[in-house]
Amino acid sequence: EPEVTQTPSHQVTQMGQEVILRCVPISNHLYFYWYRQILGQKVEFLVSFYNNEISEKSEIFDDQFSVERPDGSNFTLKIRSTKLEDSAMYFCASRQGARQPQHFGDGTRLSIL
Amino acid sequence: QKEVEQNSGPLSVPEGAIASLNCTYSDRGSQSFFWYRQYSGKSPELIMFIYSNGDKEDGRFTAQLNKASQYVSLLIRDSQPSDSATYLCAAISNFGNEKLTFGTGTRLTIIP
Repeated sequence: EPEVTQTPSHQVTQMGQEVILRCVPISNHLYFYWYRQILGQKVEFLVSFYNNEISEKSEIFDDQFSVERPDGSNFTLKIRSTKLEDSAMYFCASRQGARQPQHFGDGTRLSIL
Repeated sequence: QKEVEQNSGPLSVPEGAIASLNCTYSDRGSQSFFWYRQYSGKSPELIMFIYSNGDKEDGRFTAQLNKASQYVSLLIRDSQPSDSATYLCAAISNFGNEKLTFGTGTRLTIIP
């Protein structure tokens, strides 16, 4: 069964550094998402992406964050100048079309030191 | 603020019994509802989704939706120890973007 893949599974970075989290959505999916989950808290929406542009972003998704689909398969989340509070699990998700469920990748655990 | 509310639990159910998980939502415009299972340290895994009022069954799982009461539930029949996990209820409010709004999840423990 096709799945969303995310790399790396765990990223440890010094505060102030930039990180890039990578995702390969399911190949025939058109809508892409990033969510995050701080330890012990709920899953929170960050950003949605469709047709090579952001369709919606949350208040969390400020100028520190950016997303990109550099080619036909990858979908990346860049976090500039990381802060301690950016430590969380980051999940990529994709869906095929309207009213179709989102499928999640295994996540990247981001630890900011 | 569009909220999805769940009892955080823990909910303990004997093996073989029915587990009942509940969820309410504040946005009356919410259109579709999803149940995800999340094991500790893992990603959400889709269990079921429901759009229409009433019941939807898939194997041991039944989702129930009551839009008038803004209430969604998930029943798990013949509960197994492997069903022990946190169950996340999520809703989407519009069919354009379809971002998911999640509840905090209910931790379910199946007792052998």
